[in-house]
Amino acid sequence: AQSVAQPEDQVNVAEGNPLTVKCTYSVSGNPYLFWYVQYPNRGLQFLLKYITGDNLVKGSYGFEAEFNKSQTSFHLKKPSALVSDSALYFCAVRDLSYSGAGSYQLTFGKGTKLSVIP
Amino acid sequence: EAQVTQNPRYLITVTGKKLTVTCSQNMNHEYMSWYRQDPGLGLRQIYYSMNVEVTDKGDVPEGYKVSRKEKRNFPLILESPSPNQTSLYFCASSFQGAKDSPLHFGNGTRLTVT
Repeated sequence: AQSVAQPEDQVNVAEGNPLTVKCTYSVSGNPYLFWYVQYPNRGLQFLLKYITGDNLVKGSYGFEAEFNKSQTSFHLKKPSALVSDSALYFCAVRDLSYSGAGSYQLTFGKGTKLSVIP
Repeated sequence: EAQVTQNPRYLITVTGKKLTVTCSQNMNHEYMSWYRQDPGLGLRQIYYSMNVEVTDKGDVPEGYKVSRKEKRNFPLILESPSPNQTSLYFCASSFQGAKDSPLHFGNGTRLTVT
């Protein structure tokens, strides 16, 4: 079974400061990892993904994420936060090695609310 | 514009009155899925479909039905809604052929069952 944990329900950061939103995962094989952002009254939007290769992945809106296999983590980062980054962020995992029924299922974390304070 | 369209955006109904939430995508995606989002629980998958006429249960299928008669449409049916189905619902789609393909989401349907 695959699972995702986002240990922080809320993260507050001052505008201009670096931000980190944490994510850890559990899969039996190799993971495909994704970050999504949800703005109020909108669906989830894809930010970035890790498939293989470089552990630092760059995505939309200046976000990046670092894959750490030994710590089974995939933390989302941004060097300088903007007020417009305030939103709900979801980490998600898909098990590359699983080929049975439901193998395309994407398992989401519970979400982390990011508030960027002016 | 590539998109997933859900209707309606908001729906208030009473217990037991059958309803359907429609979902349509214009990206020729094989894979489609329904999720519900509840505070503190994140997104949970209800049903998914790998292609036309192929559907399967997700993590929380009780009380829901789906059908996939056409590639672009994947309606969610609540035969007899109950208050515990009050939630925010999302339809999503992606290419089936690649596990690295991200999901594309609709804007959601907020359902209230009284």
